[in-house]
Amino acid sequence: EAAVTQSPRNKVTVTGGNVTLSCRQTNSHNYMYWYRQDTGHGLRLIHYSYGAGNLQIGDVPDGYKATRTTQEDFFLLLELASPSQTSLYFCASAPGAAEQFFGPGTRLTVL
Amino acid sequence: AQSVTQPDARVTVSEGASLQLRCKYSYSATPYLFWYVQYPRQGLQLLLKYYSGDPVVQGVNGFEAEFSKSNSSFHLRKASVHWSDSAVYFCAVSMGPGYQNFYFGKGTSLTVIP
Repeated sequence: EAAVTQSPRNKVTVTGGNVTLSCRQTNSHNYMYWYRQDTGHGLRLIHYSYGAGNLQIGDVPDGYKATRTTQEDFFLLLELASPSQTSLYFCASAPGAAEQFFGPGTRLTVL
Repeated sequence: AQSVTQPDARVTVSEGASLQLRCKYSYSATPYLFWYVQYPRQGLQLLLKYYSGDPVVQGVNGFEAEFSKSNSSFHLRKASVHWSDSAVYFCAVSMGPGYQNFYFGKGTSLTVIP
């Protein structure tokens, strides 16, 4: 069964809306990551965490908050969504510097 | 800052032909290296990885990659492609033990013509 799950799989909101993307992993990994994927940019790291209560800033953090509530759960929050945040969002988990395991993605559209 | 370059945004090959997808990275030491594949409407799946040792590593579905320290490269190869190999391929780099961040290339979209 899938070890990294994301919900919702698709989300449409309006400019200024409040959005929460959820990620759960059952790999018992310490590290979890949020990326956005955009054509011409590949994957860009938004935030990551190495354990419950921890948050590290990635390369493109502006406009995003994140919270790691348990080892399994990592949330990405867009409190005032903008059209520039329309993207495909991926969550991943990893035991450390080794390979990352990705979820199926959430497609977010901000109108 | 570290960077990963995949110089070919799109590659088209005929079924049965050989394939090479290129990846170069900028990092002075030897990093951990990965190739991931993304099929349509799916997440990324690991094809293969290199940590150390033999510079040629084997992956799933007949893929292999060769690490070259002198060229700072990690090119992906397959001897004979199948139409089902059509996907986007990402090269990724981690700076190794103690470093948790990955750096991804922009991806190469592969189309295999039946």
